[in-house]
Amino acid sequence: EAQVTQNPRYLITVTGKKLTVTCSQNMNHEYMSWYRQDPGLGLRQIYYSMNVEVTDKGDVPEGYKVSRKEKRNFPLILESPSPNQTSLYFCASSPRPGLAGGEQFFGPGTRLTVL
Amino acid sequence: AQSVTQLGSHVSVSEGALVLLRCNYSSSVPPYLFWYVQYPNQGLQLLLKYTSAATLVKGINGFEAEFKKSETSFHLTKPSAHMSDAAEYFCAVSSRDSNYQLIWGAGTKLIIKP
Repeated sequence: EAQVTQNPRYLITVTGKKLTVTCSQNMNHEYMSWYRQDPGLGLRQIYYSMNVEVTDKGDVPEGYKVSRKEKRNFPLILESPSPNQTSLYFCASSPRPGLAGGEQFFGPGTRLTVL
Repeated sequence: AQSVTQLGSHVSVSEGALVLLRCNYSSSVPPYLFWYVQYPNQGLQLLLKYTSAATLVKGINGFEAEFKKSETSFHLTKPSAHMSDAAEYFCAVSSRDSNYQLIWGAGTKLIIKP
């Protein structure tokens, strides 16, 4: 089944404890992206990747890191989480930019709470 | 720069009534337009998309949207609301100007009254 998977789905952690949220897609998509969703603020892009080893900042990159060493994986790293990073996080992927107009396929989400 | 405006953060309709969710976009080049739906505690799912073919686009679950270039609009409609339509709906636009990245509206939460 074609899908985007994220792990973990739920995570409660404490301030300053490094964590990684994994994202994997099995559709051979070139483009991948991370969003955070907060009440009243809609979806805000954190980082995106146009292809392997190519990443770029989105609208709210502060406090986050990403890497794209393989086409299928795009982990989101919080080196020193803070309470303002408590949010619902979504990973998404898309075929080659320009194909299908940029339609994105979403993972199920990761709900992160930082105490 | 491209942008998307969704009118109304919350829209409430009675079961069986017409659903109309508004989306206006700005783009200096031909756009691609999308509606996504997010059911409670789930990820986003594509409802329908406009890719420069027919201006009236039909999607899943009885929803449709009409691309109106003169009004720069892509409103989402459904003739008769069902309780299962309660969800948050997001409109998005892309084009070569955004390198085909999606520019998102703020979302509209649809509430269905019994």
